[in-house]
Amino acid sequence: KQEVTQIPAALSVPEGENLVLNCSFTDSAIYNLQWFRQDPGKGLTSLLLIQSSQREQTSGRLNASLDKSSGRSTLYIAASQPGDSATYLCAVRQAWEWGGSEKLVFGKGTKLTVNP
Amino acid sequence: GAVVSQHPSRVICKSGTSVKIECRSLDFQATTMFWYRQFPKQSLMLMATSNEGSKATYEQGVEKDKFLINHASLTLSTLTVTSAHPEDSSFYICSARRLARLNEQFFGPGTRLTVL
Repeated sequence: KQEVTQIPAALSVPEGENLVLNCSFTDSAIYNLQWFRQDPGKGLTSLLLIQSSQREQTSGRLNASLDKSSGRSTLYIAASQPGDSATYLCAVRQAWEWGGSEKLVFGKGTKLTVNP
Repeated sequence: GAVVSQHPSRVICKSGTSVKIECRSLDFQATTMFWYRQFPKQSLMLMATSNEGSKATYEQGVEKDKFLINHASLTLSTLTVTSAHPEDSSFYICSARRLARLNEQFFGPGTRLTVL
């Protein structure tokens, strides 16, 4: 059974600092990995999607890497800002164990606070 | 593009009543819709997957007679929580996948359900 773990569970940094969020998964047979942002009481906003054949994706100050063989992904945030404060969720897309449509399996998230 | 809406955003109901939550894909046709539940400080847990015009597929441990899902059209899915109890209080999030981009899901803003 796929398990997705995110470390740390919470992180507090001063504004301007570069930071890394970690995600690990137990089953490397994934189709892709996606990083989301969730603000309190809100839905999910997709940040980056990395296909299983890719090593990294970049969008603005965000860079996500994927090492499928070791079951790891990182989300790098450069020059953090108070507006980056949110919970960041990692999810992997995999086939169901008994076949059929694939599904997303989520980690519990990392709650990021960027202090002005 | 790829906007998913949910209605209502918040609902409070008495124990024993039924509550219906709507999920709509506003600017695309969703071949598949997903319903998730999220408890405080926990990850999103997939409840069921529905394809337009067919019965929903429920995850293990999710009661299909309690959580009724109808995917009547390519832009609308509904989740009805029947005979709601306080333990059903949670944040319900729907997600939709479109035909053109099968490996990416778009999430709604969520519905906060409180059962008194």
